[in-house]
Amino acid sequence: EAGVTQFPSHSVIEKGQTVTLRCDPISGHDNLYWYRRVMGKEIKFLLHFVKESKQDESGMPNNRFLAERTGGTYSTLKVQPAELEDSGVYFCASTATGGREAFFGQGTRLTVV
Amino acid sequence: GNSVTQMEGPVTLSEEAFLTINCTYTATGYPSLFWYVQYPGEGLQLLLKATKADDKGSNKGFEATYRKETTSFHLEKGSVQVSDSAVYFCALPIYNQGGKLIFGQGTELSVKP
Repeated sequence: EAGVTQFPSHSVIEKGQTVTLRCDPISGHDNLYWYRRVMGKEIKFLLHFVKESKQDESGMPNNRFLAERTGGTYSTLKVQPAELEDSGVYFCASTATGGREAFFGQGTRLTVV
Repeated sequence: GNSVTQMEGPVTLSEEAFLTINCTYTATGYPSLFWYVQYPGEGLQLLLKATKADDKGSNKGFEATYRKETTSFHLEKGSVQVSDSAVYFCALPIYNQGGKLIFGQGTELSVKP
């Protein structure tokens, strides 16, 4: 069974540009989470989908970040326009309904220059 | 509120040395506690967990005991190997908020031969 997959693994963009990160959760997992780790600090929660619905987006830093999960399968996280402080590693995780263990992707390292 | 405080790194040890990475938490009730590990180039993996006070989680020679009286969940290993070099994260799941995880800041461990 495939695990959580994230694309791309690395992205370097200029300030002001747009970047879209993608996450493919484990098949059948209704819960999908986005997290971010900035500059070696703690991993912080961004938002939580249940199927295609945003359950909790309290961790989204500002309106330059837009997450979608059309059809309740894969999710995208768009940053537009990107700022220097958006640099970091973006992780995606998924859990089954009622599941207690979150399975993580390998992360996307975003560098804004 | 809920929070996790983790011993800062980086930590450098010689092979076969004893490892302790401290983790304390603040939470309402009696949550589960997790340790995740990120090996170089890989995603986060659940290393071990404990679901109630005095539980001991163990895996791959690592152990952590859930201490309610000291609100701690310190990670230990009696004899580290070079292959244990990774970043370790203590985490607190918030099940009444959709299962999102609150992470500590991560501790980078480097084991030298």
